[in-house]
Amino acid sequence: KAGVTQTPRYLIKTRGQQVTLSCSPISGHRSVSWYQQTPGQGLQFLFEYFSETQRNKGNFPGRFSGRQFSNSRSEMNVSTLELGDSALYLCASSRLGGHNQPQHFGDGTRLSIL
Amino acid sequence: KQEVTQIPAALSVPEGENLVLNCSFTDSAIYNLQWFRQDPGKGLTSLLLIQSSQREQTSGRLNASLDKSSGRSTLYIAASQPGDSATYLCAVKDNQAGTALIFGKGTTLSVSS
Repeated sequence: KAGVTQTPRYLIKTRGQQVTLSCSPISGHRSVSWYQQTPGQGLQFLFEYFSETQRNKGNFPGRFSGRQFSNSRSEMNVSTLELGDSALYLCASSRLGGHNQPQHFGDGTRLSIL
Repeated sequence: KQEVTQIPAALSVPEGENLVLNCSFTDSAIYNLQWFRQDPGKGLTSLLLIQSSQREQTSGRLNASLDKSSGRSTLYIAASQPGDSATYLCAVKDNQAGTALIFGKGTTLSVSS
């Protein structure tokens, strides 16, 4: 059974640009969550989508947005990139997104801002 | 606001030693606690998930315990091996954050042969 797939694995952008990251969840999983991992702040929750609707949102500026498609695949967009956006962005999926369901993570997209 | 702390930040042990990793959280109103492993440049691999009503979970050489009232969890690794070298993260899902996981900053374990 294929795991969570994130593309691309690596991205280099410059300040002011925008970027779109993609996540394909495990087959049958309907909940997709996004996290940002940096050395200073650790792992921080961005948002969660379930059945194409944003169900939960972390404390990030509006430059960070996402969406989910009918096949449960999700994209995350960051506009007007800043140096501080350099991070590993991780996607996680779970079957129904319930409180007691484990989340399964992809290998992430490493975003570097020059 | 829930805060998760992991001490120590780094740990080095010789192969074969039994070890304990610690995780503490400030708000006991949690749904569950999950332990993850992260290898360099990789995502997170789920090791164990303990529901709030459970006291412990076991998988192979790993045993995780949960004391919700004191806000503590431990991950016990028996007979450590060099392949266990990684960063171990604990995360809680609590009533306030809903479906979000709140992570500690991890313990980086190095097992020498």
